[in-house]
Amino acid sequence: SAVISQKPSRDICQRGTSLTIQCQVDSQVTMMFWYRQQPGQSLTLIATANQGSEATYESGFVIDKFPISRPNLTFSTLTVSNMSPEDSSIYLCSVLAGTDYGYTFGSGTRLTVV
Amino acid sequence: AQKITQTQPGMFVQEKEAVTLDCTYDTSDQSYGLFWYKQPSSGEMIFLIYQGSYDEQNATEGRYSLNFQKARKSANLVISASQLGDSAMYFCARPGNQGGKLIFGQGTELSVKP
Repeated sequence: SAVISQKPSRDICQRGTSLTIQCQVDSQVTMMFWYRQQPGQSLTLIATANQGSEATYESGFVIDKFPISRPNLTFSTLTVSNMSPEDSSIYLCSVLAGTDYGYTFGSGTRLTVV
Repeated sequence: AQKITQTQPGMFVQEKEAVTLDCTYDTSDQSYGLFWYKQPSSGEMIFLIYQGSYDEQNATEGRYSLNFQKARKSANLVISASQLGDSAMYFCARPGNQGGKLIFGQGTELSVKP
């Protein structure tokens, strides 16, 4: 299975600022996924990052708030823009590589907005 | 709707005992897979076990096994000989009907008592 390096692992940010989260994969993958996990909640998909095209956003998530880049098949970034305390969550990237069950997750970014 | 339901918000188990975590799902697909993940307090998602809908035998991985009942649309996780390090959140998940993304249940918080 693929190995993902996700950075930063945690951050404390001021409201109104932006944070960019990076995920680097050790192999080429077609689809990368970005999830948000609010405190005490389950994981919710923000968007699917496609190489060479715009990301596909889930209902309730917009590009202006969560811009995503996917410059190649091994790297993606998610930016959380104009942050508010409600954005305090764990953000996780994930890829599907190899088999039908080859889902791998990054180690997560624990974001606190103050 | 592609829904995953975990009805146990929290579970307690005595160390060295076995515990079953429930998961039911909705699907009209003939072919699908079901996953279980462990999420410790650090926030990372650890893959535990996978069951394909066409697998005739229940999946097993070390102390983890899946009690897969297709007719009842349930895929319960059984952890045998619980250890203190098993204390974590546990999520059941399956791929969405448009492929790629995973849909997660609400999660079960397991606490192992010494």
